[in-house]
Amino acid sequence: DVKVTQSSRYLVKRTGEKVFLECVQDMDHENMFWYRQDPGLGLRLIYFSYDVKMKEKGDIPEGYSVSREKKERFSLILESASTNQTSMYLCASSLSGTYNEQFFGPGTRLTVL
Amino acid sequence: RKEVEQDPGPFNVPEGATVAFNCTYSNSASQSFFWYRQDCRKEPKLLMSVYSSGNEDGRFTAQLNRASQYISLLIRDSKLSDSATYLCVVTEDTGRRALTFGSGTRLQVQP
Repeated sequence: DVKVTQSSRYLVKRTGEKVFLECVQDMDHENMFWYRQDPGLGLRLIYFSYDVKMKEKGDIPEGYSVSREKKERFSLILESASTNQTSMYLCASSLSGTYNEQFFGPGTRLTVL
Repeated sequence: RKEVEQDPGPFNVPEGATVAFNCTYSNSASQSFFWYRQDCRKEPKLLMSVYSSGNEDGRFTAQLNRASQYISLLIRDSKLSDSATYLCVVTEDTGRRALTFGSGTRLQVQP
């Protein structure tokens, strides 16, 4: 079974703090993704990576950065958290190629006060 | 206009009912289509792919209408365990590996 894990299920941070969200997958997948999910807006892609040290912007990259130093790990960084970044953050991974099934982690619910 | 649009519901149906959801997409270049299922407070999981000729998996049938740019999901003989949010997903033939999600349709099957 593919397993995608995320470092925290719930996180509360203050405005201006630097926030790290970690994602690890154990199936040697090349592609990894970060989404945020908000009511009525669905899942929106923040960043994705198709190889170690490679990254591409998704639809809403502003205010975020990512790091992929190892194949199994993909980190999302909020340099200076703001209240509009309060959301559910979902990490996903998939095999290389365009149309492969994505496997999601359980999500991190981030609240920025 | 959103790239992928779904009726948010909720669709409240009795056990045993047949229910259908539609999803429209705006980009005619979209190439691949999927339905994902998301249970309350859980992550999305692939339910089924949608093929041009239509496909069936047990009680679930997915269909694609390219001319009208919509996909559908039909659930027959609804079970309580079918209660979830169903996410419509499309991809484009641009080499982009990411998926574009609809905001989901919530189904509540009642006893």
